[in-house]
Amino acid sequence: QVQLQESGPGLVKPSETLSLTCGVSGYSLSSGYYWAWIRQTPGKGLEWIGSIYPDGTTYYSESLKSRVTISVDRSKIQFSLNLTSVTAADTAVYFCARHGSLAADGTNYFDPWGQGTQVTVSS
Amino acid sequence: QSILTQPPSVSGAPRQRVTISCSGSSSNIGKNAVNWYQQLPGKPPKVLIYYDDVLPSGVSGRFSGSKSGTSASLAISGLQSEDEADYYCAAWDDGLNGFVFGTGTKVTVL
Repeated sequence: QVQLQESGPGLVKPSETLSLTCGVSGYSLSSGYYWAWIRQTPGKGLEWIGSIYPDGTTYYSESLKSRVTISVDRSKIQFSLNLTSVTAADTAVYFCARHGSLAADGTNYFDPWGQGTQVTVSS
Repeated sequence: QSILTQPPSVSGAPRQRVTISCSGSSSNIGKNAVNWYQQLPGKPPKVLIYYDDVLPSGVSGRFSGSKSGTSASLAISGLQSEDEADYYCAAWDDGLNGFVFGTGTKVTVL
């Protein structure tokens, strides 16, 4: 059974870089599927941040792409999110998730999800 | 940020049927699959419906999805207290080249 677990600092200072890791168990990142980061705020709801395919191809939200980097590590058991120049608006619960495709072929749903990790941006 | 519009809340008595709408555009719902997620309090979202109207294994048959043009709907029949949760629609948007989520709907069982 595939399980995902987010980890990283719960508090980040404004203008610094938010770095999170998603550990994957029960499945090899190299074996296909896309791996995504999604965040949730009370005010803006769920927001897709971006996705990565095992070959390293990335897809980012237009509104965040100038500040986001998603990568897969060499051991292929985790993938990471870096979000630079954070502000209070980046305070959110951050989730990682898996999905089978991007558009319309019936496998582009997010499943499973990690439990989520709260990140607060504050000095 | 959300460009899929849902009603903020819907409510119904036990055993009633409720529906949640999700309104989008030709670049998202009008062209791509719609997925629905249920989020129980304090939990991550869980896929409820995918590819417009397909139930994943293990999801109750009381849930059903449909789509017409640039709108989609989620129906819950035989409403139960355990259905109290937030529900979100989502789709890929060809114009934004990314996923978009609905604004979310809170379901309350009276």
